Amino acid sequence: TQLLEQSPQFLSIQEGENLTVYCNSSSVFSSLQWYRQEPGEGPVLLVTVVTGGEVKKLKRLTFQFGDARKDSSLHITAAQPGDTGLYLCAGAVLEYGNKLVFGAGTILRVKS
Amino acid sequence: DTEVTQTPKHLVMGMTNKKSLKCEQHMGHRAMYWYKQKAKKPPELMFVYSYEKLSINESVPSRFSPECPNSSLLNLHLHALQPEDSALYLCASSQDNIYRDPFFFGPGTRLTVL
Repeated sequence: TQLLEQSPQFLSIQEGENLTVYCNSSSVFSSLQWYRQEPGEGPVLLVTVVTGGEVKKLKRLTFQFGDARKDSSLHITAAQPGDTGLYLCAGAVLEYGNKLVFGAGTILRVKS
Repeated sequence: DTEVTQTPKHLVMGMTNKKSLKCEQHMGHRAMYWYKQKAKKPPELMFVYSYEKLSINESVPSRFSPECPNSSLLNLHLHALQPEDSALYLCASSQDNIYRDPFFFGPGTRLTVL
């Protein structure tokens, strides 16, 4: 069982549609980060959330951290082909030595 | 400068070769990491250096040998690798607090072992 369950694994949508990616765990996170990775490149940090209930916005992307700090979501409004990529959530859990643990990732494809 | 650089970008080596991967950052970060990533999978932690000392080794085989010559540089020495070691090797750095600070990843080295 993975510490961080990320869903969905794959998402193929049309340009202009909205989508939400989820990241869930039974453990409490000290912090949680979202990354976007393009093929052949390293992950690029999108946001870090540390406070339960926190909401952060980055243009068309909205990130939420659950009140209990066990889950997070990434919502994209009016997706564009440039949003295509692998989205990774990563969290640090105290009982696992505070190492950054990655979810399995969501492969997003936005078709024009 | 918020960049982590890695060289080479691509590396092809035989199972008897010895090679090294290099990583550099000039953000003053005191924690540096090596990750291994297979296609369409999340990165897997290999090593963590904190203040130039190895603090975490995730039971990585000894054919991978990390080195941190100074606070800006991180190397990964490779020897007698196996074809299953072919992957994207990512270097990352963070300020110093492993669980709170954001990670900055390099572009990776695509390694192929023949």
